Amino acid sequence: GAGVSQTPSNKVTEKGKYVELRCDPISGHTALYWYRQSLGQGPEFLIYFQGTGAADDSGLPNDRFFAVRPEGSVSTLKIQRTERGDSAVYLCASSSGQGTYNEQFFGPGTRLTVL
Amino acid sequence: AQSVTQPDIHITVSEGASLELRCNYSYGATPYLFWYVQSPGQGLQLLLKYFSGDTLVQGIKGFEAEFKRSQSSFNLRKPSVHWSDAAEYFCAVGYSGGGADGLTFGKGTHLIIQP
Repeated sequence: GAGVSQTPSNKVTEKGKYVELRCDPISGHTALYWYRQSLGQGPEFLIYFQGTGAADDSGLPNDRFFAVRPEGSVSTLKIQRTERGDSAVYLCASSSGQGTYNEQFFGPGTRLTVL
Repeated sequence: AQSVTQPDIHITVSEGASLELRCNYSYGATPYLFWYVQSPGQGLQLLLKYFSGDTLVQGIKGFEAEFKRSQSSFNLRKPSVHWSDAAEYFCAVGYSGGGADGLTFGKGTHLIIQP
């Protein structure tokens, strides 16, 4: 079956611009995660959704970052007033339920470059 | 706060030789532990996981890992590596108490296979 998909695969933007990154989870998966992977680092947790609600947004670095999942499936990560330090690969993952014992399946990521 | 240390940034192994990748974690309770592999252009793939029980866990692609509570370690092993094992390997820890489902990753170990 289809895995987690993310669009676009690459996004280049200018400092100060607004960007949206999309994640399509595996069908039926209720849990959805966003991570950020900077060059030479491991993925860093940003936010976790269970259904439509953000159950844990403790990893969002500041109020320029926001994510939604209005219908409990597709999610959009939104970054306002982008900065060069936001350049990274943004990873999305989904799992079949709450709890880290449920395997998280990762998408290929969106590479964001802020010029 | 939980943390994961992967002391080796790069490891070079000859094809057919054995492999051990180190992982140490810091966590206040019994953690859930994971090893993921990331190949160029591919998403993160789960190799194996430890939740409880037998401290030696078997994974896909011939990998195994051993949980040692006394050493706070979860080292990944493979008896004989293949050229296709060249990739980035990440150790991760998850919260076992529920409510905070994001994983904490180490910085990764880049595995190079020599012919």
